[in-house]
Amino acid sequence: EVQLLESGGGLVQSGGSLRLSCAASGFTFSTYAMSWVRQAPGKGLEWVSAISGGGGGSSTSYADSVKGRFIISRDNSKDTLYLQMNSLRAEDTAVYYCAKRLPAVGATYFDYWGQGILVTVSS
Amino acid sequence: DIQMTQSPSSVSASVGDRVTITCRASQGISSWLAWYQQKPGKAPQLLISVASSLQSGVPSRFSGSGSGTDFTLTISSLQPEDFATYYCQQAKSFPLTFGGGTKVEI
Repeated sequence: EVQLLESGGGLVQSGGSLRLSCAASGFTFSTYAMSWVRQAPGKGLEWVSAISGGGGGSSTSYADSVKGRFIISRDNSKDTLYLQMNSLRAEDTAVYYCAKRLPAVGATYFDYWGQGILVTVSS
Repeated sequence: DIQMTQSPSSVSASVGDRVTITCRASQGISSWLAWYQQKPGKAPQLLISVASSLQSGVPSRFSGSGSGTDFTLTISSLQPEDFATYYCQQAKSFPLTFGGGTKVEI
């Protein structure tokens, strides 16, 4: 059974940093691209960042709203995805989900999601 | 960036009703579109990918159609467990973008 378990969220002051982790199990983590998607309280979904899977190094992508402040990474030996969040702003307050890419369809859809972790940035 | 616009933002319906939600992309995305269902306090669930491909385990009352810029999610006969918020997502290019959501309520 595929499981994604986020951790590392909490309350942080504006300008601070936080690192989220997403522990994966039930599938061959290294072979799948992964993403972070967030949802501000009472709002819609916003894709944040993605990292490729497979061999040959990991390519990354970011939403403009977080580019230069957030860093996505993965440790395939630990089956874990990370999101390093720096220079946090009040508008980064959201539930953050890690999500696994649906395989074999040539584009990025998300077939499994974690339960989400709340990040609150106080100003 | 590709903007995704959903309509309506909310719809009131009854059990047994046919419900249609539309999603429009700001530029052509071929069939690179997904639909998700989200219930309060829960993570989204993938219903449909590639515009019309139903995910395993998703009831057949859900269907998707469209290509290019205009897409539709249809629930043929609304069930009590279908009251939720639905999102479309374009997968043609990064940054991936979602529609604003459609809340289906009684």
